[in-house]
Amino acid sequence: GQNIDQPTEMTATEGAIVQINCTYQTSGFNGLFWYQQHAGEAPTFLSYNVLDGLEEKGRFSSFLSRSKGYSYLLLKELQMKDSASYLCAGVDSNYQLIWGAGTKLIIKP
Amino acid sequence: DVKVTQSSRYLVKRTGEKVFLECVQDMDHENMFWYRQDPGLGLRLIYFSYDVKMKEKGDIPEGYSVSREKKERFSLILESASTNQTSMYLCASSFGREASPLHFGNGTRLTVT
Repeated sequence: GQNIDQPTEMTATEGAIVQINCTYQTSGFNGLFWYQQHAGEAPTFLSYNVLDGLEEKGRFSSFLSRSKGYSYLLLKELQMKDSASYLCAGVDSNYQLIWGAGTKLIIKP
Repeated sequence: DVKVTQSSRYLVKRTGEKVFLECVQDMDHENMFWYRQDPGLGLRLIYFSYDVKMKEKGDIPEGYSVSREKKERFSLILESASTNQTSMYLCASSFGREASPLHFGNGTRLTVT
């Protein structure tokens, strides 16, 4: 079957670094997305990885290992506004998205 | 910027009512999707469409239907609303047939009493 696993909740301190992990099992693989969703709002696109390695976009980076079926989202210099849910979604061989349940990130001052 | 607009932010309906949720996007995207989002569960795909007048069932189509008469508009219909359809409904659109980012509307929180 197809499955995406990510932690339900994480807590981190303002100014610190946090890594949110995601493991996936999909029928075929055409990449992995990360989205950010603030409470009561729509998910917004953060990153897409299809090749192994790290992609950096400002304070946010996303990493992919296809051989391990593993990705992580790295958030540096955490700000209070980073408190949100982070959704991981794998793309299967039919280009359908398989979604994780999301990781709620709580930032403490 | 792509804008995806859902007609209602909050909706309260009674059991058995027919409910229409409307979604419009302004970027000429071919693909449109309807998801529902419930606490502790990932986004679950109800229906999607890759073209006008075309529709495909997602993972949980039971109790729902859709209509796509125009490229920019994708409607979700609850034929006879039930309490287990109380949820947040998210519409999304994207460009092309390969992996491209979804652009989401702000969601409709539907309560069925």
